[in-house]
Amino acid sequence: EAGVTQFPSHSVIEKGQTVTLRCDPISGHDNLYWYRRVMGKEIKFLLHFVKESKQDESGMPNNRFLAERTGGTYSTLKVQPAELEDSGVYFCASSQFGDEQFFGPGTRLTVL
Amino acid sequence: EDQVTQSPEALRLQEGESSSLNCSYTVSGLRGLFWYRQDPGKGPEFLFTLYSAGEEKEKERLKATLTKKESFLHITAPKPEDSATYLCAVQAPYSGAGSYQLTFGKGTKLSVIP
Repeated sequence: EAGVTQFPSHSVIEKGQTVTLRCDPISGHDNLYWYRRVMGKEIKFLLHFVKESKQDESGMPNNRFLAERTGGTYSTLKVQPAELEDSGVYFCASSQFGDEQFFGPGTRLTVL
Repeated sequence: EDQVTQSPEALRLQEGESSSLNCSYTVSGLRGLFWYRQDPGKGPEFLFTLYSAGEEKEKERLKATLTKKESFLHITAPKPEDSATYLCAVQAPYSGAGSYQLTFGKGTKLSVIP
């Protein structure tokens, strides 16, 4: 069974540019989550989809972040415009129910 | 606000030297406590879920235990391949919105020296 995949693995952009991260969950997993780890801090929750619906977006830092999950399959997280403090590793996870969440390898975002 | 504190931040062990990692938590009701392993450059890898005080789970050289305020990850006779960062996370009972979010600690970086 294929695991959670994320693309790209690394992204380096200039402040003010736009970046879109993609996550493909494990097949059959209705629940999809985005998390972020900023340097020196713990992994923090951003949002949770159930199929194509946003179940909880309480962790989204501001309106420069937009997450979508059209058709209830893969998800994208767009940052527009990117700021320096957006640098970090963005993780996607998926679960079939509410229990074990399986994580992807992450996308390392560097904003210069 | 849910909080998770892990200690120590880093731990160096000789191969075969058993030890324990600690995860203290404050949560408004606990639905589940999760242990993950993370290798450099990779995402967290699921290890265990514990649901109630007194529960224990084992996998190879690892054993996780849970009390009402903390969890321990016991490592018996570790090997160099056990070197990784071990993360603890808690999940509160489902809210009306049905959120399954995890609250993570900063992790314990374990190094096992041959």
